[in-house]
Amino acid sequence: QKEVEQDPGPLSVPEGAIVSLNCTYSNSAFQYFMWYRQYSRKGPELLMYTYSSGNKEDGRFTAQVDKSSKYISLFIRDSQPSDSATYLCGLRGGSTLGRLYFGRGTQLTVWP
Amino acid sequence: NAGVTQTPKFQVLKTGQSMTLQCAQDMNHEYMSWYRQDPGMGLRLIHYSVGAGITDQGEVPNGYNVSRSTTEDFPLRLLSAAPSQTSVYFCASSPWSRQSTGELFFGEGSRLTVL
Repeated sequence: QKEVEQDPGPLSVPEGAIVSLNCTYSNSAFQYFMWYRQYSRKGPELLMYTYSSGNKEDGRFTAQVDKSSKYISLFIRDSQPSDSATYLCGLRGGSTLGRLYFGRGTQLTVWP
Repeated sequence: NAGVTQTPKFQVLKTGQSMTLQCAQDMNHEYMSWYRQDPGMGLRLIHYSVGAGITDQGEVPNGYNVSRSTTEDFPLRLLSAAPSQTSVYFCASSPWSRQSTGELFFGEGSRLTVL
């Protein structure tokens, strides 16, 4: 079983929709939870970062962590065509010096 | 600020040829790493380094060598290219300190095709 599971999609939604992206994981030692956004033919860039459980909001983006269920989510409100990208979750153990484990990435297309 | 710079951006090799993918960062990051990204497989860690002179294997190290003689540079060598090494390669660096988030900063990728 992979450390991190993520449905690769693809996911296609109309502009203005609410998008939900998810990852599940098996290692209860993960403490740092990140979402990266990767545009086509570019490198991934950090979008959201959460430590331990709870929610974090940044504009139209909300990251949620449920450690009891080993489940993390990224919500995008009022989605825009510019949000079309691949979204990867990245998880790390109890130290920022530990290895980052990535999900496979979910490809999202927002059509006008 | 250039960040993480990878060269070349595109390369075509024949089976058995060798080559080096270059990676340089100007952020004084101690941690550097190489990933490969294949369709449906996500990012897989090849090798990483926590400082000059220190390297270690990741998830898929076979067929690749690395060295770290300076803080800035972390080249990835393919000794005898195979078609299975056709992929997009990303170099990433991180400040690697307990005060940081551990965020990885990625280059734009090097697309390698092995015929």
